[in-house]
Amino acid sequence: NAGVTQTPKFQVLKTGQSMTLQCAQDMNHNSMYWYRQDPGMGLRLIYYSASEGTTDKGEVPNGYNVSRLNKREFSLRLESAAPSQTSVYFCASSVSRGTPNEQFFGPGTRLTVL
Amino acid sequence: AQSVTQPDIHITVSEGASLELRCNYSYGATPYLFWYVQSPGQGLQLLLKYFSGDTLVQGIKGFEAEFKRSQSSFNLRKPSVHWSDAAEYFCAVGAPGTASKLTFGTGTRLQVTL
Repeated sequence: NAGVTQTPKFQVLKTGQSMTLQCAQDMNHNSMYWYRQDPGMGLRLIYYSASEGTTDKGEVPNGYNVSRLNKREFSLRLESAAPSQTSVYFCASSVSRGTPNEQFFGPGTRLTVL
Repeated sequence: AQSVTQPDIHITVSEGASLELRCNYSYGATPYLFWYVQSPGQGLQLLLKYFSGDTLVQGIKGFEAEFKRSQSSFNLRKPSVHWSDAAEYFCAVGAPGTASKLTFGTGTRLQVTL
């Protein structure tokens, strides 16, 4: 099992460009999450999907959109990148049957916006 | 809403010394608590979790944590630190009915001197 995979690993964008970060999990998990990690801020939840077909905003959703393509895949889109979106992005998944469970994390995508 | 405080941004210990990383949470009921470790350039890996029952929880890599309801704390401990334990450590709290959303602390960076 690969667990949670993310592509790409690194990306450099110019202000105003768009891109989609891809995430997939092979653990048959119900819930998936996108976080951003910035120095001194810990991990902040951008969007999450409690189950296939649903998505909800997290703590810092502005400037992002998501798509839960199927049970396995959850993508994060930046429509018009800004320097403030320079960060490391992590995708995670969880069984999540009503009670908090362990989240499994991908290796991250390091994004720089110039 | 739940919250987590990790009061120590950076801790340095000598190899072989004991370690305690502090975590305080805010939540009205019995929380679901987690400790994660992040090595440089990697994703997060679960060290241990507390849901209920015995308040002393054993995890991987020789770590343990103790839940103290009266102090709203869930401190992480290790009797003898190894150089490979140098990493960033995150405490997280979850609540039932929230699609397993976790709220993370800002992290404690552990440096180990030889």
